[in-house]
Amino acid sequence: KAGVTQTPRYLIKTRGQQVTLSCSPISGHRSVSWYQQTPGQGLQFLFEYFSETQRNKGNFPGRFSGRQFSNSRSEMNVSTLELGDSALYLCASSFEMNTEAFFGQGTRLTVV
Amino acid sequence: GESVGLHLPTLSVQEGDNSIINCAYSNSASDYFIWYKQESGKGPQFIIDIRSNMDKRQGQRVTVLLNKTVKHLSLQIAATQPGDSAVYFCAENSDNTDKLIFGTGTRLQVFP
Repeated sequence: KAGVTQTPRYLIKTRGQQVTLSCSPISGHRSVSWYQQTPGQGLQFLFEYFSETQRNKGNFPGRFSGRQFSNSRSEMNVSTLELGDSALYLCASSFEMNTEAFFGQGTRLTVV
Repeated sequence: GESVGLHLPTLSVQEGDNSIINCAYSNSASDYFIWYKQESGKGPQFIIDIRSNMDKRQGQRVTVLLNKTVKHLSLQIAATQPGDSAVYFCAENSDNTDKLIFGTGTRLQVFP
């Protein structure tokens, strides 16, 4: 059974650009959540989707958005990139909310 | 506010010894807890979970203990091996939030 797949693995963008990251959950999983990991702030929750609906949102500015498709795949978008957005963005999927969450390898975003 | 913290940022143990990694949480409403292991360049890997109606759960070489009275969680690794070297995170979840709140992480170093 394939795990959580995130693409791309690495990205380099310049300030002011926007970026879209993709996450394919484990087959059969309906809940997808996104996290930002930085050395200074650790792992911070961005948002969670379940059956195409955003169920929870973390304390991030509106530049961070996401969506989930009918096949449970999810994308997150960051607009008007800032240097501080450089981080490892992790996606996790679970069968349903409040159950085991399995993470992908992450997308390493560098903003220059 | 909500917080999950780890007492020791770095733990060094000798190969073959047992390791204990501790975690404190402050949200008394949290009812689900997970331990993750993260190796360099990889996403967090699910190790073991426990719900608040239990105080102990065992897996292969790992045991999680939950003390709700003092809001404390621990991960015990038996016969620690070099491959156990990684950063370990505890995470908490509650039905109120449906999102994982992560601790800051503890680095486990195993030396021969």
